[in-house]
Amino acid sequence: QKEVEQDPGPLSVPEGAIVSLNCTYSNSAFQYFMWYRQYSRKGPELLMYTYSSGNKEDGRFTAQVDKSSKYISLFIRDSQPSDSATYLCAMSLMDTGRRALTFGSGTRLQVQP
Amino acid sequence: KAGVTQTPRYLIKTRGQQVTLSCSPISGHRSVSWYQQTPGQGLQFLFEYFSETQRNKGNFPGRFSGRQFSNSRSEMNVSTLELGDSALYLCASSLEGVTTDTQYFGPGTRLTVL
Repeated sequence: QKEVEQDPGPLSVPEGAIVSLNCTYSNSAFQYFMWYRQYSRKGPELLMYTYSSGNKEDGRFTAQVDKSSKYISLFIRDSQPSDSATYLCAMSLMDTGRRALTFGSGTRLQVQP
Repeated sequence: KAGVTQTPRYLIKTRGQQVTLSCSPISGHRSVSWYQQTPGQGLQFLFEYFSETQRNKGNFPGRFSGRQFSNSRSEMNVSTLELGDSALYLCASSLEGVTTDTQYFGPGTRLTVL
């Protein structure tokens, strides 16, 4: 069993929809949680990061962490075709900070115009 | 400011050969991490270098090695290539590699082993 589980999709939604992306993890020692977006033939780019349980909002993106359930989510409001990409959750232990990340397998999102 | 650059972008090798990949971090960044990305295993951490020293290491065999130079540029080497080493190899740089640093990824080197 992988430490971080993520539904690979693809997830297809119409433009303007609210998208919910999720990851579960098994290692309760993970302390830092991130979401990356990866376009085809590009490297991942950091979207959001958080260290604590609760919600963090940035524009159309909201990251949610529930450490008690070992569950993290990324919500995208008013989704756009340009949001079509693979979304990767990532997490790390306290002692390595963000230097050694454990990634989910990624969810491929397609936003239909 | 230029982003993380990786060379070459594409590489084809045969089993048993060795390969060296290069990564130039963003100017001023001293931490460089390497990751392997495959369809089956996803993104997996290989190792991280800071000030020419390996600071963290993932769960990969000793055939995978790396180094960092005084200008923070980094190379990774894979010896005795196997078919399963075919992957996208990504490097990421950050200022100091501490918790509050953002890791910036390069576009990757796609390695195909025949």
